[in-house]
Amino acid sequence: SQTIHQWPATLVQPVGSPLSLECTVEGTSNPNLYWYRQAAGRGLQLLFYSVGIGQISSEVPQNLSASRPQDRQFILSSKKLLLSDSGFYLCAWSATGSAYGYTFGSGTRLTVV
Amino acid sequence: KNQVEQSPQSLIILEGKNCTLQCNYTVSPFSNLRWYKQDTGRGPVSLTIMTFSENTKSNGRYTATLDADTKQSSLHITASQLSDSASYICVVSGGTYKYIFGTGTRLKVLA
Repeated sequence: SQTIHQWPATLVQPVGSPLSLECTVEGTSNPNLYWYRQAAGRGLQLLFYSVGIGQISSEVPQNLSASRPQDRQFILSSKKLLLSDSGFYLCAWSATGSAYGYTFGSGTRLTVV
Repeated sequence: KNQVEQSPQSLIILEGKNCTLQCNYTVSPFSNLRWYKQDTGRGPVSLTIMTFSENTKSNGRYTATLDADTKQSSLHITASQLSDSASYICVVSGGTYKYIFGTGTRLKVLA
């Protein structure tokens, strides 16, 4: 069966520090991968999606970047965090073809201080 | 413009009562609609998924309905429990690898 792993679960980082959040998927090949951010009390905002290794699409201009160095690995990064980067970050995957929908990771709570 | 609107924004009910959450969408073309439950501080977990030809689907005490003509869906929760307290998110797929999310309904079940 397919599983998605996301870590760390919580992170407190000072302003100006770098960021690296990792997401891996097991049990499937060539998944579509996504990074979402959820601000407190708000809906999910799509940040990046990837349909293959090295293929990254950005949905909104921001201080973050994403990379997909391997088929089932998706990394969210920042060189210098801003206070506004605080939020709940979710990784998700979907199989090719939309019938399956998303499966989400457990999320990372990022607090920038 | 592709949109998914959910109502109510928040809801408080007593344990054991039933409730119904609404989702209206303008996504076109339509591929499927999914209801997720998101506990505070956790990732969303899928409850049901329905394609164009399906009118209703159940998952335990959760029953989702879909009217593709009016572009409306509902999630009915029967005999609510304290553990049902969560946000419920409606997500619509337009047939691509991008999905349209509703902002969710926050449900609070009180003892």
